[in-house]
Amino acid sequence: GAVVSQHPSWVICKSGTSVKIECRSLDFQATTMFWYRQFPKQSLMLMATSNEGSKATYEQGVEKDKFLINHASLTLSTLTVTSAHPEDSSFYICSATRDRNYGYTFGSGTRLTVV
Amino acid sequence: KQEVTQIPAALSVPEGENLVLNCSFTDSAIYNLQWFRQDPGKGLTSLLLIQSSQREQTSGRLNASLDKSSGRSTLYIAASQPGDSATYLCAAHSGGYQKVTFGTGTKLQVIP
Repeated sequence: GAVVSQHPSWVICKSGTSVKIECRSLDFQATTMFWYRQFPKQSLMLMATSNEGSKATYEQGVEKDKFLINHASLTLSTLTVTSAHPEDSSFYICSATRDRNYGYTFGSGTRLTVV
Repeated sequence: KQEVTQIPAALSVPEGENLVLNCSFTDSAIYNLQWFRQDPGKGLTSLLLIQSSQREQTSGRLNASLDKSSGRSTLYIAASQPGDSATYLCAAHSGGYQKVTFGTGTKLQVIP
């Protein structure tokens, strides 16, 4: 149990366009999902906490107008990178948790390349 | 503020060797501690989850221990195999359950 599906696994887009990444919990309901960004050879950086039915909570330094998060249901959260630029190229990973007894389950990640 | 450190940053061992990865955290008020594996260009795969009330967890050749009082956790891998080559991350859940802090990882290479 506790499977999180993330799509797409990789995407290449032109500078100035927007890209949407989906994160789904397949076999459990997740009231909270998390979005991370990972730079090469570095650990994960939490970008925002996505709460079902309410606004996301962004970490300091993360532009909420740049990284739009929507958590419309208990099984789906989306991250939209708006007006993408080459510096937004990175590896984005989502995670979800059912409750404290189950820990965190991660998606397989999305490699975004902005050209 | 929770800080999580992993030592060593990189480790290379011959196949068949037993090895220990270390994780230390500064705030002992944790809910649980989780070990993950990350392959290049992939997401994180959960290996073991240790609740704050537990001392250790085992899964196959993996054994993770937790000592809250000293702020340490270890991941023991027995009879290492080339397929174990990956980056191993520990994560401490504290400061309100939804706050998780990751270590910087240990990159393991098992040489055939």
